[in-house]
Amino acid sequence: DIQMTQSPSTLSASVGDRVTITCRASQSISSWLAWYQQKPGKAPKLLIYKASSLESGVPSRFSGSGSGTEFTLTISSLQPDDFATYYCQQYNSYSRFTFGPGTKVDIK
Amino acid sequence: EVQLVESGGGLVQPGGSLRLSCAASGFTFSSYWMHWVRQAPGKGLVWVSRINSDGSSTSYADSVKGRFTISRDNAKNTLYLQMNSLRAEDTAVYYCARARGYSYGEFDYWGQGTLVTVSS
Repeated sequence: DIQMTQSPSTLSASVGDRVTITCRASQSISSWLAWYQQKPGKAPKLLIYKASSLESGVPSRFSGSGSGTEFTLTISSLQPDDFATYYCQQYNSYSRFTFGPGTKVDIK
Repeated sequence: EVQLVESGGGLVQPGGSLRLSCAASGFTFSSYWMHWVRQAPGKGLVWVSRINSDGSSTSYADSVKGRFTISRDNAKNTLYLQMNSLRAEDTAVYYCARARGYSYGEFDYWGQGTLVTVSS
């Protein structure tokens, strides 16, 4: 099975900061990677799909890049609403789907 | 408006059974593959199971294979997860999610979740 890792596990940042989260896959997943945002007590929300495609309605300060085994999620200017936990997820096959362990973005 | 509403969670003893439901509305349910994803208290997201649009194909995480069964009733716009032989480590919030895209692995809509607690 494909394993996903994320770094850092926690990130302390200030409003206006540029934030980058890294996600790595244990084997190549081409561009079949999604990013989700989750706030406490709420369901996850799809932000980015196919590594770099922005989901409809998601602010343009969010962007994704990468292919193969290394991917990044960037928030260009962190806003108060962005403090949350972010998960990457691979979907390289029809029968196995794996999430990363998450990166919590909190207030510095 | 797309809506997914889970129900059926609760407290169950180890070894017991529970059936979760996910009522879908606002889209053509029979056209979409669906998934269950769970989240233990304070932990990350874990994929559990998926079913194709007509219910003829299913997949499971190794941790639940042989104990959980995913199914759907397209006439009732409802997704199910039958959970048997429950263990303490199955304690989690269970989300249903609609899938799209390559390998039907982009989860674009999620329910609010239902909590399953396995404890004596």
